[in-house]
Amino acid sequence: GENVEQHPSTLSVQEGDSAVIKCTYSDSASNYFPWYKQELGKGPQLIIDIRSNVGEKKDQRIAVTLNKTAKHFSLHITETQPEDSAVYFCAASWGGKLIFGQGTELSVKP
Amino acid sequence: GAVVSQHPSRVICKSGTSVKIECRSLDFQATTMFWYRQFPKQSLMLMATSNEGSKATYEQGVEKDKFLINHASLTLSTLTVTSAHPEDSSFYICSANQGGTGELFFGEGSRLTVL
Repeated sequence: GENVEQHPSTLSVQEGDSAVIKCTYSDSASNYFPWYKQELGKGPQLIIDIRSNVGEKKDQRIAVTLNKTAKHFSLHITETQPEDSAVYFCAASWGGKLIFGQGTELSVKP
Repeated sequence: GAVVSQHPSRVICKSGTSVKIECRSLDFQATTMFWYRQFPKQSLMLMATSNEGSKATYEQGVEKDKFLINHASLTLSTLTVTSAHPEDSSFYICSANQGGTGELFFGEGSRLTVL
């Protein structure tokens, strides 16, 4: 089955700096890669996604890149703000389901 | 984005009792909903796929007789934790797929504590 690996598990940056979170997946048939932000005690919220026919997608301060050959995709957050602090999960579609990475706890220090 | 509502958000029950959690898609019809379980500081683990009008599909290792799933309508799926034990204490989250886009929208989660 599909396996998704996510790194790093924790990430601490200064306000205004950039943050990068990386994920790799195992099944080349996966074609949909969403990223979720989860705040404490809440359900995950979709922040950006990318499909396998696109290499990069950007939405304001957030961007995602996909390398299908290498089977990895990354989340980039620029000009980080304290409110970006949360746990971020990557996921990959597999057989109609989503398989999640282990999560990255991002801390943005003012 | 689409709205998925879960109820209750928090529930505390005694060991041996059953607890029902509801998941509703408020502004779209969902033929498929998914139930996840999340332990503290861990990732989301898929428990089962809930299919409207048919039996749920359970992931390996998930007891179907313990976690009863009913998807009676296009906007409602329920998860019943039967004969709950302290080890069932967890954060249960549902999600629904809006149309054929593949986008998955999550409920706010239900925190179950079994005493």
